[in-house]
Amino acid sequence: EPEVTQTPSHQVTQMGQEVILRCVPISNHLYFYWYRQILGQKVEFLVSFYNNEISEKSEIFDDQFSVERPDGSNFTLKIRSTKLEDSAMYFCASIPGRGFDGTEAFFGQGTRLTVV
Amino acid sequence: KQEVTQIPAALSVPEGENLVLNCSFTDSAIYNLQWFRQDPGKGLTSLLLIQSSQREQTSGRLNASLDKSSGRSTLYIAASQPGDSATYLCAVDRAGGTSYGKLTFGQGTILTVHP
Repeated sequence: EPEVTQTPSHQVTQMGQEVILRCVPISNHLYFYWYRQILGQKVEFLVSFYNNEISEKSEIFDDQFSVERPDGSNFTLKIRSTKLEDSAMYFCASIPGRGFDGTEAFFGQGTRLTVV
Repeated sequence: KQEVTQIPAALSVPEGENLVLNCSFTDSAIYNLQWFRQDPGKGLTSLLLIQSSQREQTSGRLNASLDKSSGRSTLYIAASQPGDSATYLCAVDRAGGTSYGKLTFGQGTILTVHP
């Protein structure tokens, strides 16, 4: 069964360093998302991406964050200068497209980012 | 702004019980509602998706209902098993606009089924 794949599963980084979280969405999906979950809190939306551009971003997604789909398969989230409060589980998700059967969201297993 | 609330926050039941998890949302203009399962430290596994035009969906021992007008959904788990122990998350996808597929999550119900 097709699945969303995220790497790495766990990343430890020093405050101020840049990190790139990688995702391979399901191949025929059109809409891509990043969410994050701080320990003990709700899963919260960061950004949505469609047709090679951001379609919506949350207040959390400030200038330190960027997303890219550099080729036909990868979808990346970059944090330029990490802060302690960026420590969280980051989830990538994808959706096939609009339509009656095309709205189920598929999530990856997450990348646990620890900023020290 | 859409708010999603899940009750109870935690539930502990003996094996074999039937149980109900509740989800409420403040804005009834949704495209669909999805229930997920999350094991500790793991990702989100989709359990059921209910389109806004549907009233319920079933998968095995799971049944989810949706009352869009009152802003409520329930997840019914029949004959619970220890392997059902996990956090159950409800998420709504609001309708229209550029934010297609953007999910708003509840805080989850932590379910423990003991033998």
